[in-house]
Amino acid sequence: DQQVKQNSPSLSVQEGRISILNCDYTNSMFDYFLWYKKYPAEGPTFLISISSIKDKNEDGRFTVFLNKSAKHLSLHIVPSQPGDSAVYFCAAGGGTSYGKLTFGQGTILTVHP
Amino acid sequence: NAGVTQTPKFQVLKTGQSMTLQCAQDMNHNSMYWYRQDPGMGLRLIYYSASEGTTDKGEVPNGYNVSRLNKREFSLRLESAAPSQTSVYFCASSASRGSEQFFGPGTRLTVL
Repeated sequence: DQQVKQNSPSLSVQEGRISILNCDYTNSMFDYFLWYKKYPAEGPTFLISISSIKDKNEDGRFTVFLNKSAKHLSLHIVPSQPGDSAVYFCAAGGGTSYGKLTFGQGTILTVHP
Repeated sequence: NAGVTQTPKFQVLKTGQSMTLQCAQDMNHNSMYWYRQDPGMGLRLIYYSASEGTTDKGEVPNGYNVSRLNKREFSLRLESAAPSQTSVYFCASSASRGSEQFFGPGTRLTVL
């Protein structure tokens, strides 16, 4: 079963507008969540994380929101830039998984100039 | 600091051949991980090592073995490669549970 799901395979936005990437999870034992960004032919790079004790974490243009009751998190990028075009993965960890992360399928973000 | 390094970058194997993917990190991290990435599947954990001397299975361990050679190095071995193991393999490391994982650049493996 897919414990972490990114239901949108792709998202296209205009430069300067907001990008919102969504992620749903089913395992209530997850207690921390991360977003990674991946360019072609490179490894994923860490973007931002959030603990389950928070509902928002902000780092520059990137904000992650967590809705525990809905088991949903989202990544907001404001303003979007062409260099943000990449694949974005959400990941979750916690409970008995010790350090192991479960990843979503990824969302391809394209930011048009 | 090189971070996480992986060798080789590319490899083509024939069905039944064996090979070892190498991974090393210079961040003094305790935990190391091997993932595979397939289209539409995200990253799936193959094996992980919580600390030097320990290894454990992840989500998709069949057909693979691992060795945590020392704190720096974590290798992944395919004993008898199959076409289903065609994938991009990523190694990662983290300082501790709950901290972010740092990824290597990946190895693109094709099994014919």
